[in-house]
Amino acid sequence: DAKTTQPPSMDCAEGRAANLPCNHSTISGNEYVYWYRQIHSQGPQYIIHGLKNNETNEMASLIITEDRKSSTLILPHATLRDTAVYYCIVRYPMDSNYQLIWGAGTKLIIKP
Amino acid sequence: ETGVTQSPTHLIKTRGQQVTLRCSSQSGHNTVSWYQQALGQGPQFIFQYYREEENGRGNFPPRFSGLQFPNYSSELNVNALELDDSALYLCASSLEAYTEAFFGQGTRLTVV
Repeated sequence: DAKTTQPPSMDCAEGRAANLPCNHSTISGNEYVYWYRQIHSQGPQYIIHGLKNNETNEMASLIITEDRKSSTLILPHATLRDTAVYYCIVRYPMDSNYQLIWGAGTKLIIKP
Repeated sequence: ETGVTQSPTHLIKTRGQQVTLRCSSQSGHNTVSWYQQALGQGPQFIFQYYREEENGRGNFPPRFSGLQFPNYSSELNVNALELDDSALYLCASSLEAYTEAFFGQGTRLTVV
């Protein structure tokens, strides 16, 4: 079972900030939060990841709450090309390995 | 472009047949993971290879097997194909087992 909960869908106006929430209330201390997105029929694209501090890169910002039980991915100026399914994933250590466990994600639709 | 390439892009097989899917990882990456993605669902972890050895496996039967070669490219083999094996098969490579994964475009397998 996925260890994260996301809304199934969201809309955002083009040019506005898109804020995508994710709950991961059972996250443990050594687990990272990863965000990927998948544009229709393509392979998932890595966006950003973090442990407990807020992170920013050229694509997005990741805000993680102090208790680490939830996070928000922020796309600062959404464009039509940002329409995709966004996955929030907690990296689950399996023995010495680190598989990704995916939920159903949030379908983000950017509207002109 | 992630530098991860998969072949073939599409494939149709008959139930009971065997199939081999191939993945060329990004230069310098020693870890390859394979995922199965059914329509409308998130990817499901099949297994991971690190430096030519399987070092993690998801909940898939033994008829799903793999190989990683000295150049870190990889194969996914599926024997005795079933209709439910129809899916998008994704390969992801990473610099190390615990770093972010970069995905190829996938192989769409249809079993009839």
